[in-house]
Amino acid sequence: SQTIHQWPATLVQPVGSPLSLECTVEGTSNPNLYWYRQAAGRGLQLLFYSVGIGQISSEVPQNLSASRPQDRQFILSSKKLLLSDSGFYLCAWSVWYRRLGELFFGEGSRLTVL
Amino acid sequence: AQTVTQSQPEMSVQEAETVTLSCTYDTSESNYYLFWYKQPPSRQMILVIRQEAYKQQNATENRFSVNFQKAAKSFSLKISDSQLGDTAMYFCAFMKPNAKHGTASKLTFGTGTRLQVTL
Repeated sequence: SQTIHQWPATLVQPVGSPLSLECTVEGTSNPNLYWYRQAAGRGLQLLFYSVGIGQISSEVPQNLSASRPQDRQFILSSKKLLLSDSGFYLCAWSVWYRRLGELFFGEGSRLTVL
Repeated sequence: AQTVTQSQPEMSVQEAETVTLSCTYDTSESNYYLFWYKQPPSRQMILVIRQEAYKQQNATENRFSVNFQKAAKSFSLKISDSQLGDTAMYFCAFMKPNAKHGTASKLTFGTGTRLQVTL
């Protein structure tokens, strides 16, 4: 069966510090991978998606970047965090042979920037 | 750009009762997909139900059903015989069909409705 893991689950970082959130998927090959941010009262906002190793598409201009060094690994990064980067970050995956539009989400990473 | 609006930030329903969550969307597309996702407290978000716009028949999944009104751009979720385990944040989402098979599923989500099921 397929599983998805995100870490760390909780992170408190000072403004200006770097960030690295990791996501790995197990039990499937060539998944599409996504990073969403969930902010209170604002729903889920798609930040990045990837259809293959090294292929990253950005949906929203921002202070963050994403990388996909391996088929089932997706990393969200920042060189210098801003207060506005605080939020709940969700990684998700999808594959073509499942129901179209069905995303499988991780447990999420809560980031607080102070 | 597509927008998805959920006008009910919070709702409450008693166990065994029926509740309807509202969702409206705005698009110029004629073919698309609509979804309801459920995010239980401290648990992973999962897909509840999916509707394809070209299908007139409303989708159903056990106790969950939708009322899809394409002309009104409305997509409500009805939960029958509510259970305590239905307590969650519910998100409505929209997706345009992919141009190519296997490309990414880019969903636009609403702001969510927090549903509390009480005894």
